[in-house]
Amino acid sequence: GAGVSQSPSNKVTEKGKDVELRCDPISGHTALYWYRQSLGQGLEFLIYFQGNSAPDKSGLPSDRFSAERTGGSVSTLTIQRTQQEDSAVYLCASSLGDVNTQYFGPGTRLTVL
Amino acid sequence: GQQVMQIPQYQHVQEGEDFTTYCNSSTTLSNIQWYKQRPGGHPVFLIQLVKSGEVKKQKRLTFQFGEAKKNSSLHITATQTTDVGTYFCAVIHITTSGTYKYIFGTGTRLKVLA
Repeated sequence: GAGVSQSPSNKVTEKGKDVELRCDPISGHTALYWYRQSLGQGLEFLIYFQGNSAPDKSGLPSDRFSAERTGGSVSTLTIQRTQQEDSAVYLCASSLGDVNTQYFGPGTRLTVL
Repeated sequence: GQQVMQIPQYQHVQEGEDFTTYCNSSTTLSNIQWYKQRPGGHPVFLIQLVKSGEVKKQKRLTFQFGEAKKNSSLHITATQTTDVGTYFCAVIHITTSGTYKYIFGTGTRLKVLA
């Protein structure tokens, strides 16, 4: 079956602009995660959705970051008024439940000029 | 809060040599997962360990969970160039509100010299 997909694969934007990143999880996966990975660095947790529960937003670095998950499936990560330090690869992962294997998408490489 | 440290940060080995990366937690873990990320790729799940002292093998890879469930190791025997990448451990953190999130280790970047 299809894996986790993300779009766009690359996004170049100007400082101050808003961007939307999309994640399509594996069908039937109730858990969805967003991570950020700067060049050569580890994975920074951003936000976690599980079923109909309120999302865990504890990892969002500032109020310029927000995410939603519609219908328990597709998720959108929005970054408002982008800054150069937002440049990174944004990875989405989904899993069947809380503690199951995470399946990662290919990521969106965001470059803020 | 919970911290997960991985050592070493980098490792260069000659092809055929062994390699080990260690993951250490400040708290007792319910389980631990290992992922591999090839250069330019995304993390791919390797294995999950749950039991104290558990040892699992995948061909040349041996994964171990410490007796106290606070540390884990990944050992690769006779490395090959296909082993190049960054190896991450990931642990589950239960927040004060009762939700779960994964905390990834800092990763060990392995380079294999042919």
